Formats: sequence, structure tokens, C-alpha cells
Amino acid sequence: GESVGLHLPTLSVQEGDNSIINCAYSNSASDYFIWYKQESGKGPQFIIDIRSNMDKRQGQRVTVLLNKTVKHLSLQIAATQPGDSAVYFCAREAYPGFQKLVFGTGTRLLVSP
Amino acid sequence: EPEVTQTPSHQVTQMGQEVILRCVPISNHLYFYWYRQILGQKVEFLVSFYNNEISEKSEIFDDQFSVERPDGSNFTLKIRSTKLEDSAMYFCASKQGSTGELFFGEGSRLTVL
Repeated sequence: GESVGLHLPTLSVQEGDNSIINCAYSNSASDYFIWYKQESGKGPQFIIDIRSNMDKRQGQRVTVLLNKTVKHLSLQIAATQPGDSAVYFCAREAYPGFQKLVFGTGTRLLVSP
Repeated sequence: EPEVTQTPSHQVTQMGQEVILRCVPISNHLYFYWYRQILGQKVEFLVSFYNNEISEKSEIFDDQFSVERPDGSNFTLKIRSTKLEDSAMYFCASKQGSTGELFFGEGSRLTVL
């Protein structure tokens, strides 16, 4: 979720597996959610977004699911590849203002060949 | 593909010194941001800037911090008197409109000794 921590949760998968990364949020006023990928030493890179009037959105190999009832967001990566290894952050647009993103703690995805 | 560029990539400074981090946002973007990421932690919002003024700032962005868009292309973050706890990766980001994808730069790593 949005707690701060020095130890990232880690998901280890084999190449070709499907990966599911989860995120919980606490502020029900948020209208817009985004998943970012961050490779070592680089800036966050946009993957996919979803607005609160949707519960599912698909991209290329990625799907985001939003469950507003339990305030839960997930990112599904199909046929995970070694190049998918990175830290994945969920983020929400903050209310009020809608001019800033609040990031979650992040999950490290390790893909082994 | 257009990108946000940041300089320097790494700066080492002594405590109490002034630091200026520079960013060139994507050329047709109107909304500009600075975020920071302390090593191993989540990305945190610092400030947003639109129409030549700060639109929102976080508690981190105290009077030691300032931002400026001195010309049509650069967007700078100044820290007047650096502290040890300012050591972090600083990310510049921009987006075209009030909604839509936020593009991040590669970051400037600041080390305060």
C-alpha cells in the first residue's frame, strides 16, 4: 500500500510465468491509478493506468484490475520476460488538487530464465 | 521519442552548499514536477508547477527549496543549504495536460557529505 519501508516485497517468477503484483490504497477519493516500472538507476516508466469508473484495463501483456470495494489494485503481466525484472510501483492521483501522485512502496519483480 | 532530460546525473556536495538540479521537460508539456526518492524508499512528491507558478508543494518542500523556469525550456530545482537528509535521487517529470501520462526523467542523484 502506501506505507514506507526499506525492505521491498519481492516476487520471483520463472520466465514465461504470469506475474501478479498487488497494491492496496487507503484513500477512496482517488479517481486515477497508475502502474510504473522502475529499472535500477532509472526513472519511473509508465506502464498502464485506470480510472475509477473502470474495473479492468488491458495493454500489451499487461492488465490492471481495480477493486474499489476493497481498495485494491493489481498488475498482471503475462508471459513474464527477464526484461520485466524491475521494481513496480502503484500510484494514485491525490485529492485534493489532482496535481500530484502518491506512490506505494513498490514490489521487486525478479524473473529468472 | 521525446523525453525529459536531467543534469547532472550525479552531484556530490558538502553540507550547507547550494545545489541546482536542471531539467528540460518535453517541449509541448505544460505541467512540471519534482519528485525525490531516498535510496530504497518510495518516490515522494515535492512540487508541481504550472503557468509559471507553484500549484502544489509537499511538506518536504520547505523554504530551502525553490523552483524556477528561467526560460522556455529549463525547469530547475534549487536547494539553498543542503542537509545530509537531502541525499536522494531527484526526478523531474512533465505532462502535457492536467490529465494524462506523467513522463519522468532519468533522475539526478544528490549525495550530501
